[in-house]
Amino acid sequence: NAGVTQTPKFQVLKTGQSMTLQCAQDMNHNSMYWYRQDPGMGLRLIYYSASEGTTDKGEVPNGYNVSRLNKREFSLRLESAAPSQTSVYFCASKWTGDYGYTFGSGTRLTVV
Amino acid sequence: GESVGLHLPTLSVQEGDNSIINCAYSNSASDYFIWYKQESGKGPQFIIDIRSNMDKRQGQRVTVLLNKTVKHLSLQIAATQPGDSAVYFCAENGNTDKLIFGTGTRLQVFP
Repeated sequence: NAGVTQTPKFQVLKTGQSMTLQCAQDMNHNSMYWYRQDPGMGLRLIYYSASEGTTDKGEVPNGYNVSRLNKREFSLRLESAAPSQTSVYFCASKWTGDYGYTFGSGTRLTVV
Repeated sequence: GESVGLHLPTLSVQEGDNSIINCAYSNSASDYFIWYKQESGKGPQFIIDIRSNMDKRQGQRVTVLLNKTVKHLSLQIAATQPGDSAVYFCAENGNTDKLIFGTGTRLQVFP
């Protein structure tokens, strides 16, 4: 099993550019999450999807959009990247009612 | 808002010693707590969890202790090994279906 797969692993963007971070899980999990990780601030929730067809804002949603394409895939889009969005982004998934998140290996994004 | 925090940002221990990583939580409604390990360049990995109806749970070389009276959580690692070097995060559920993560403690193991 691959678990949670994120692409790309690294990306450099110029301010104002757009991009989509991809996430796919093969564990048939219902819930999927996008977190960002910044030094000294831990993991902060951007958006989540409790089930296919639903998405909700987390703690820091501004500047991002998401799409739950199907049960397996949950993408995160930056429409107009800003230097403040330089971070490491993690996708995670889990069963409904469970708390054992499985994380991907992350996407390191730099906005210059 | 509610938050989860850690007392020690960096912990250095000698190989073979026991490690104790502490965490304070503030949401008294949380009924589930979890510890994750994150190695450099990787995503967090599940270590051990505990529900609020327990005060201790043991795994392989790891023990989690929960003190609800003072809202304190700790992770004990027995006979710490170089492979234990990582950042450790505690998290609580805030009685929701989402986890709130602490800022992390870096564990350094030296020979």
